[in-house]
Amino acid sequence: TQLLEQSPQFLSIQEGENLTVYCNSSSVFSSLQWYRQEPGEGPVLLVTVVTGGEVKKLKRLTFQFGDARKDSSLHITAAQPGDTGLYLCAVIFGNEKLTFGTGTRLTIIP
Amino acid sequence: NAGVMQNPRHLVRRRGQEARLRCSPMKGHSHVYWYRQLPEEGLKFMVYLQKENIIDESGMPKERFSAEFPKEGPSILRIQQVVRGDSAAYFCASSPLPASPVDTQYFGPGTRLTVL
Repeated sequence: TQLLEQSPQFLSIQEGENLTVYCNSSSVFSSLQWYRQEPGEGPVLLVTVVTGGEVKKLKRLTFQFGDARKDSSLHITAAQPGDTGLYLCAVIFGNEKLTFGTGTRLTIIP
Repeated sequence: NAGVMQNPRHLVRRRGQEARLRCSPMKGHSHVYWYRQLPEEGLKFMVYLQKENIIDESGMPKERFSAEFPKEGPSILRIQQVVRGDSAAYFCASSPLPASPVDTQYFGPGTRLTVL
């Protein structure tokens, strides 16, 4: 059983469209992180959300932490080819180790 | 300040050989974490080390895998007698303090191990 389920698993959309990807769990977390991983590279931290209901914006990316702190969403406005990558949510669960979600592989078609 | 460095970036081994993966954490970071990413799967925690100590190896296979982080030099992940199922990307991350829910682990570019 996965601690963090991400959906959709794969998403392919045209440049300029908007999209939302989700990270869900039945557990409550004190915080949640989103990473982007490009092919051949390691994950890079995009944002950490810590308060239920919190919304953080990073240029065209909007991150939201659910009120109950069990889920999160990432919304991208006017997607660009540079947004292509694997998006991972993650939490610190247990002894300082990051637990990652199943990932959403996003492809933006020019 | 250089980021987390891993070498080699690509490693090819035949079944039964040993693989050694190296990780140099960011300057000033004394906490190192190793993760494995199998093809088409997510990142899975393997082991957490501080200088000269293994703190948590709950994600490491019990046989053939070992890790160290000596007082001097890089952290090493060693896989003995590799099998095809060991083919994966291995990532190292470092942090200056024990990772907390609001702190950041910085990831290296990974070593892609292929076992023939």
